[in-house]
Amino acid sequence: DIQMTQSPSSLSASVGDRVIITCRTSQRIRSYLNWYQQRPGKAPKVLIYAASSLLSGVPSRFNGSGSETEFTLTISSLQLEDFATYYCQQSYSSPYTFGQGTELEI
Amino acid sequence: EVQLVESGGVLEQPGGSLRLSCAASGFTFSSYSMNWVRQAPGKGLEWVAYISGSSSTIYYADSVRGRFTISRDNAKNSLFLQMNSLRAEDTAVYYCARALLVPANYYMDVWGKGTTVTVSS
Repeated sequence: DIQMTQSPSSLSASVGDRVIITCRTSQRIRSYLNWYQQRPGKAPKVLIYAASSLLSGVPSRFNGSGSETEFTLTISSLQLEDFATYYCQQSYSSPYTFGQGTELEI
Repeated sequence: EVQLVESGGVLEQPGGSLRLSCAASGFTFSSYSMNWVRQAPGKGLEWVAYISGSSSTIYYADSVRGRFTISRDNAKNSLFLQMNSLRAEDTAVYYCARALLVPANYYMDVWGKGTTVTVSS
């Protein structure tokens, strides 16, 4: 199974900050990496697929990069609505594991 | 409107069985693979199972293999999760999620609101 290591597990930041979340995988997965945002009490929402492709409607301040075993999600200028928990997920092979999540706090 | 609505979550005793359902609407259900993903209280997301549109391909997480069965009825636009030999650690919100296949990837683009399963005596 592919192990996902996401860091940090939590992050305190302010509106306007630039934040970077990292996801490392135990095996090479090319670009089979997705990023999801989950607000409290809500279902997850996909932000980025294939490591760097932004979903339509997702603000351009979100940026994904990386390949093989190391990936990053960058939020260039935090807005109030971005305070949530973020998960990476590999879609390279079953089981389609998620990272443990990064809680972004004010 | 594309929508997924889960149901069937209840309080069940350890060792018991439960069947979750997910009703799909607003899209051609048979054309899409589907997933179940769960989230234990205060914990992260855990992928549980995957089924292709024709049911020809099915995958499970190690934690549920042999106890849970994913299935679908394309004529009724419905996805199911049969859960047997339930354990306390199966307590979670269970989401159904549509899988969108794109070149060189797939991701879960539509999610339901979830249904809560509690396993306790």
